[in-house]
This record gives sequence, C-alpha cells and structure tokens, in this order.
Amino acid sequence: QVQLQESGPGLVKPSETLSLTCSVSGGSINDFHWSWIRQPPGKGLEWIGFISNIGDTHYNPSLKSRVTISADTFKKQFSLKMTSVTAADTAVYFCARRLKRGIVKMFDTWGPGTMVTVSS
Amino acid sequence: SYVLTQPPSVSVAPGQTASLTCGGNNIGSESVHWYQQKPGQAPVLVVYDDSDRPSGIPERFSGSNSGNTATLTITRVEAGDEAAYYCQVWAGTDVQPDVVFGGGTKLTVL
Repeated sequence: QVQLQESGPGLVKPSETLSLTCSVSGGSINDFHWSWIRQPPGKGLEWIGFISNIGDTHYNPSLKSRVTISADTFKKQFSLKMTSVTAADTAVYFCARRLKRGIVKMFDTWGPGTMVTVSS
Repeated sequence: SYVLTQPPSVSVAPGQTASLTCGGNNIGSESVHWYQQKPGQAPVLVVYDDSDRPSGIPERFSGSNSGNTATLTITRVEAGDEAAYYCQVWAGTDVQPDVVFGGGTKLTVL
C-alpha cells in the first residue's frame, strides 16, 4: 500500500523560499498525478497544484506566480517550492496522490502533513 | 472559480443520522468527493464520485448529489465520527484544472 511522507524545514523566514519534499513508498510514482494541498491553522483545505505522470504541472491560479512543483522519479519524490513567503503561507502542507477511475479523479492517499511556520 | 458552500457546524446525538450538505452551482453535474479529517490528522476519503465508498469505509457513510446540493449522510452516528468533513470537486478544464474544496463542516456528536 502506497505511503506518502512530507519533509522539510518547519520554519521559514518572510520573503524566503519554502521547500518541501514528498517521498513515495510502497507503490509506483510513474502512474499517478501528485498534488500539494495546504491548511492554515484552524482553516480549510487549499489546493496548491499537481504534477502529472508525464511531468505536466498545474497550479492554483492564486498561487501560480510563486509555486513550482517538480518530481524525481528515480528517488520516488516530488517537491514543492514557494517563493516570497509571508505569514499567510503558514500552514500544514499535505502531499496527496490523485487516483483516476474513468473520468473521476480523487485524492485517495495523503501524507500525514508537515507544519510550516513563516516567521522571522 | 467554482465555489462550494458548507455549513460550519452540525450537531447530532449518537445513534441518530447526520446530513452534511455541500452547495454549488449545478453541483449535480459534478463528481463530488467527501473527506473526513480528525484533529491533527490528514484527511481521509470517505465517499467519492457522489456516492461510492472506498474499501474500509463503513456502509453508514453514503452520499447523494442533485441540483445545487450534494449531501453526505452518516447513519447511526458514533462518537468516533466527530470530525471535520470537506466536500471537493475537480472543476475547470484539462488545460486549467481547478481543484475546489468546500470550507468544511465540523460534526459534533452530542
């Protein structure tokens, strides 16, 4: 059964770049699309973007100018970079697998999440 | 951008039925998914494609979707069902996908 695990710094300074990695174990990285989703403290879920199985990327328009998602299939990892962070980017960041059945797409597997605080 | 609207909170007594709604413009034409999130944990998919259940999810969880409202129904509610529930759709196009979550409903078991 596939498992996901986020990793990266828990504290980032304002205006700097947030970098996180999601490691995939127990399954293939090549056959799925992989997403990043975040959740500010006490608030709801916000989709950040995803990378497809062929390397195409799509981002939330509200974050597109600051976000890059990439993948290293050999390491079975995919990564998130978010530039020019502010306190508003403080959140738990989740990685998730998109499962597709026919035309139906859903997030069927999630990492446990990692808390990132933006503060000087 | 597509908007999904959920009531912030719903309360129900143990053993009763909880109905959690998710409103959206013509949401009946979308495929709606529901996630359960307990404090400090990642979301868990409990219903997908309006009314299907992943393996391991109890039959007490069911869904429906028509018109402008999708509904997650939990029968015989248990204390362990207390959690936040989020609806989600994949809107937009293949060129510009738009993954949308509702604001979430906190289910309290009295």
